[in-house]
Amino acid sequence: DTAVSQTPKYLVTQMGNDKSIKCEQNLGHDTMYWYKQDSKKFLKIMFSYNNKELIINETVPNRFSPKSPDKAHLNLHINSLELGDSAVYFCASSQGLAGNQPQHFGDGTRLSIL
Amino acid sequence: GENVEQHPSTLSVQEGDSAVIKCTYSDSASNYFPWYKQELGKRPQLIIDIRSNVGEKKDQRIAVTLNKTAKHFSLHITETQPEDSAVYFCAASGNKFYFGSGTKLNVKP
Repeated sequence: DTAVSQTPKYLVTQMGNDKSIKCEQNLGHDTMYWYKQDSKKFLKIMFSYNNKELIINETVPNRFSPKSPDKAHLNLHINSLELGDSAVYFCASSQGLAGNQPQHFGDGTRLSIL
Repeated sequence: GENVEQHPSTLSVQEGDSAVIKCTYSDSASNYFPWYKQELGKRPQLIIDIRSNVGEKKDQRIAVTLNKTAKHFSLHITETQPEDSAVYFCAASGNKFYFGSGTKLNVKP
């Protein structure tokens, strides 16, 4: 009965490869997010979708492409992986469009680039 | 855009003492201020939040205060326990969430 679930939990791959991370929430929330947490623990927002529509796209290389097939899913595809992409990626969701509701986080995907 | 500053970056206290973490924000339109706790290797979890129409909120050993005029808010943990050891993040939000840089709290037994 996990509220926000993301897969895989760990992803180890080589530079230059393409990989995807999947996220699903069963909370009935309208808005979903992707965050990147680097080794210094900074939580940096990457994207936000509301009802399948992109509403936030921070300064992220276009190698990162989010896809939201429905409001319960937000997947992240990364092309041509680079060493600097190594981080923990968190999916989150919240109710409503405005940012004044709590965000619920998934358990994270630890991406390691060799 | 919003700028959220969080201090200190690390905090070490003796078990039973109090811990205070402070955040400042820049956007006067921000009206929601949550605090998250992240244990090692785990996801951030909401521990308490406050909205701009109140100045203080308490939940057992944790409390949050908000000064909208000065644009700062603080997390207070009393009677700290070793299981309080974690990284704590503040956030300020109007239309978008902006997280602080985190405070690593170490409670020594």
